[in-house]
Amino acid sequence: TQLLEQSPQFLSIQEGENLTVYCNSSSVFSSLQWYRQEPGEGPVLLVTVVTGGEVKKLKRLTFQFGDARKDSSLHITAAQPGDTGLYLCAGGDNQGGKLIFGQGTELSVKP
Amino acid sequence: DAGITQSPRHKVTETGTPVTLRCHQTENHRYMYWYRQDPGHGLRLIHYSYGVKDTDKGEVSDGYSVSRSKTEDFLLTLESATSSQTSVYFCAISESGGAGQPQHFGDGTRLSIL
Repeated sequence: TQLLEQSPQFLSIQEGENLTVYCNSSSVFSSLQWYRQEPGEGPVLLVTVVTGGEVKKLKRLTFQFGDARKDSSLHITAAQPGDTGLYLCAGGDNQGGKLIFGQGTELSVKP
Repeated sequence: DAGITQSPRHKVTETGTPVTLRCHQTENHRYMYWYRQDPGHGLRLIHYSYGVKDTDKGEVSDGYSVSRSKTEDFLLTLESATSSQTSVYFCAISESGGAGQPQHFGDGTRLSIL
């Protein structure tokens, strides 16, 4: 059974601080996606990485896929209150597009 | 935003009753998925469909069944609801099942079983 361990589960920081969320597995994934979810809504895709070692940037967010495609990280620079939300990593395979989700990281950025 | 509608958005029912949740899409996507979301577990796949009348189980399929008679509709049924099935249920769609394909989610159904 494939598992994705996401850490930390909760993170409360002040505006302007940097943070990193980690997603680790003993399994190899063909792709790794990061989603953001607001209360009362469904997750919304932020980024997809498919190549080992790949780095993608989305404004103040930097996503990295591990060389062995077993882990990923999300780094946010100078966090803002608008970054508050639940961040989910999800590993994908080639079988029907099924995703394995991590437990999620609840991020709170205080002004 | 992807055209995905889940109904109902909220439901409260009693143990032992049947419950059907509906997911309707207007994107003509081939793949559709049902997930449940519980604290500390992220989202877990219940069932998915890769075409009309083509479905397969996910990691937490026990106690659930699905049907897809039309491309646009994917139904999730709890034949005899139990309190452990109290959760938030999300439907998602994807254009294909290839690696890295994005999934687009509905806004969820909050189901409480008393």
